Amino acid sequence: NAGVTQTPKFQVLKTGQSMTLQCAQDMNHEYMSWYRQDPGMGLRLIHYSVGAGITDQGEVPNGYNVSRSTTEDFPLRLLSAAPSQTSVYFCASRPDRGDGYTFGSGTRLTVV
Amino acid sequence: LAKTTQPISMDSYEGQEVNITCSHNNIATNDYITWYQQFPSQGPRFIIQGYKTKVTNEVASLFIPADRKSSTLSLPRVSLSDTAVYYCLVGDENNYQLIWGAGTKLIIKP
Repeated sequence: NAGVTQTPKFQVLKTGQSMTLQCAQDMNHEYMSWYRQDPGMGLRLIHYSVGAGITDQGEVPNGYNVSRSTTEDFPLRLLSAAPSQTSVYFCASRPDRGDGYTFGSGTRLTVV
Repeated sequence: LAKTTQPISMDSYEGQEVNITCSHNNIATNDYITWYQQFPSQGPRFIIQGYKTKVTNEVASLFIPADRKSSTLSLPRVSLSDTAVYYCLVGDENNYQLIWGAGTKLIIKP
């Protein structure tokens, strides 16, 4: 099993550009989520999904969109990048019941 | 949503047992307690989860007193590779908006 795969690992954007961060899991997990982590801080939830076709907002959703057309994929779209979105982004998944989240290795995004 | 309080940092030495305590005074009846480990430039990794009393796996033990208002993660015989940030989270299976604090930065010295 590959677990949770995130691409790209690094990205530099100019202010105003848009892009999509990819996340895929091969564990048939129903729940998937996107977090951002700023230096020295814990993770903050951006958006989450409890199954294909179902998404909801987390703590810091502004400036981000998500969709969940399949169980495996949960892309995060930045609509118009801003320097405040410079952060490390983590995708995570977990089964409907049971143990904790499995995280991807992260995408380090810099907006200049 | 139950919040947690952990020490900001801790130091210990190789071969010692390390105990990290987390306070969660507002824990709800259905809430579980979960601990994660995070190395620099990596995503958090699930360590252990429990509801009450004691849970043990191959890497750690989790002690939860009867009132469940706190919990203690115990790492036996730590090594340098256990240097990481450790997060304590509280929530039930239907709580998808867990609150992540800043965690406890554990530094293991030779």
